[in-house]
Amino acid sequence: NAGVTQTPKFQVLKTGQSMTLQCAQDMNHEYMSWYRQDPGMGLRLIHYSVGAGITDQGEVPNGYNVSRSTTEDFPLRLLSAAPSQTSVYFCASSFSKPGLGEQYFGPGTRLTVT
Amino acid sequence: AQKITQTQPGMFVQEKEAVTLDCTYDTSDQSYGLFWYKQPSSGEMIFLIYQGSYDEQNATEGRYSLNFQKARKSANLVISASQLGDSAMYFCAMREVSGGGADGLTFGKGTHLIIQP
Repeated sequence: NAGVTQTPKFQVLKTGQSMTLQCAQDMNHEYMSWYRQDPGMGLRLIHYSVGAGITDQGEVPNGYNVSRSTTEDFPLRLLSAAPSQTSVYFCASSFSKPGLGEQYFGPGTRLTVT
Repeated sequence: AQKITQTQPGMFVQEKEAVTLDCTYDTSDQSYGLFWYKQPSSGEMIFLIYQGSYDEQNATEGRYSLNFQKARKSANLVISASQLGDSAMYFCAMREVSGGGADGLTFGKGTHLIIQP
């Protein structure tokens, strides 16, 4: 199993550009989510999905879109990048409720917006 | 109010000593899970240990144990016999099962642990 994979590892964008961060998992997990980590902070939830075709907003959703067309993939789209979106982005997956076990994290994408 | 509070921004500990990292949480849910993650300087998030709110025994995983005191809403991580490789950021997190908000982990701000030889 590859677990949770994320591409790219690093990305530099100019203000106003758009891009998609890719996330895939091969563990047949129903639940997938995106977090961002800013310096000196814990991770904050951006969007999540409890299954294919179902997505919902987390704590900091503004400026981001998601979709979940398959169980395996959960891409995160930045519509018009802003310097405030400079961060490290983590994708995670787990079995859905009621199982509350481990959430598996991808290696992260370091995004810089200039 | 913060849902997860980690009061120790940084800690220095001698190698081979035991370490306790503090975590308190705030929830009105009866059913929730508590997690500890390790983030080394390389940046990945490494799962360490999980405690469910209905688990009566404290969780243990090798050198890691979770000191769960439900009435005090406390979920401290204990690392026995610390090693140099334990130097990292440590995050406490919670997932609420039935709270009407977003379904995900809520993280504390972390504790930077440095093990000294």
